[in-house]
Amino acid sequence: QKEVEQNSGPLSVPEGAIASLNCTYSDRVSQSFFWYRQYSGKSPELIMSIYSNGDKEDGRFTAQLNKASQYVSLLIRDSQPSDSATYLCALGAGKSTFGDGTTLTVKP
Amino acid sequence: DVKVTQSSRYLVKRTGEKVFLECVQDMDHENMFWYRQDPGLGLRLIYFSYDVKMKEKGDIPEGYSVSREKKERFSLILESASTNQTSMYLCASSTGGLLSLVSLRYEQYFGPGTRLTVT
Repeated sequence: QKEVEQNSGPLSVPEGAIASLNCTYSDRVSQSFFWYRQYSGKSPELIMSIYSNGDKEDGRFTAQLNKASQYVSLLIRDSQPSDSATYLCALGAGKSTFGDGTTLTVKP
Repeated sequence: DVKVTQSSRYLVKRTGEKVFLECVQDMDHENMFWYRQDPGLGLRLIYFSYDVKMKEKGDIPEGYSVSREKKERFSLILESASTNQTSMYLCASSTGGLLSLVSLRYEQYFGPGTRLTVT
């Protein structure tokens, strides 16, 4: 079993909808969780970090963390075609462990 | 803004050549990392360094070595390139040093990547 599991997708949503990306992990001691966005042919860029149980909102993005259930999710509200990318979940700071990513396509 | 640069965006080398990939960051970060990314295999950590002249093996160090003589620069070396090392290579940096390896809050910043083809 991988330490970080993500649905590979592809996940397709219409423009304006909510996209929900999920990530489960096996390391109970991790305290830092990150979401990176990677456009095709580009390198990952950090979009959200979360360290405590609950929700963290930043613009159209909301990260949700549930340490008891060992999952972290990313919600993208009012999805735009420019959100089409692969989203990587990562846990642990310094030397992070990355999931394989979920590819999101937002259709106009 | 954090800036991580890599010496080449695209590189083509022949089997058996010695290959150097350079990475420079300008934010005085302690930690630096080298990954390779392949379709279906995700990001895999090759080596990382949490201080000058310090290095630690990642998940797939075989066939690679690294050098960190200055804080801002981290080099990845393929001693004798092989076709199975054709990949996208990504460098990253983060602050925190050795303490950041114990679950503290330091996200990574990535360079633009080097797409290496070994023929």
